[in-house]
Amino acid sequence: SQQGEEDPQALSIQEGENATMNCSYKTSINNLQWYRQNSGRGLVHLILIRSNEREKHSGRLRVTLDTSKKSSSLLITASRAADTASYFCATDARTGFQKLVFGTGTRLLVSP
Amino acid sequence: KAGVTQTPRYLIKTRGQQVTLSCSPISGHRSVSWYQQTPGQGLQFLFEYFSETQRNKGNFPGRFSGRQFSNSRSEMNVSTLELGDSALYLCASINNPGTGDGYTFGSGTRLTVV
Repeated sequence: SQQGEEDPQALSIQEGENATMNCSYKTSINNLQWYRQNSGRGLVHLILIRSNEREKHSGRLRVTLDTSKKSSSLLITASRAADTASYFCATDARTGFQKLVFGTGTRLLVSP
Repeated sequence: KAGVTQTPRYLIKTRGQQVTLSCSPISGHRSVSWYQQTPGQGLQFLFEYFSETQRNKGNFPGRFSGRQFSNSRSEMNVSTLELGDSALYLCASINNPGTGDGYTFGSGTRLTVV
């Protein structure tokens, strides 16, 4: 399968703690994106990092990308209960095919 | 501006029937893509349309088809429904893929085949 892998599959933390999710992928990419999904609804785009970037920040989100290891991580700092959701990485490949290949997702539970 | 609108939100169909799902992209977005999400297979790419042309198709049987209209609205059709087609179907739009923007997804259509 082309699908990327994410770990952990599930993560449970307390409010105020940091949450780190990791993503590995298989092919060369143009960019890697992270999405959030609440309770089986639509996906919300969080952040995009290009293949020539190593780190990117957006509010409480920090994303890193290591193209040599074909891996990325998403750090959410000072987590809130509202961050409870599933998080997916998605790669946009270099092949010219306009599609996203999603990872398996991490379910994050943030307890008050 | 309005987001990506998918209709209907929920659908129950019987095996062997066919179904049509609709997606209205963000105004001005020319690319519409469709994804299937199931607990077993995760998020899988179905197809992508750009200016009424299908540019890419995922690894799905021919029972899955789609089209895009001149106003960029898109429909996907599944014929001869099987139990395994039960899934959340998500539509996403983007103005111009490959430019480094993120996709905007609709809330999805949850299809249950009984």
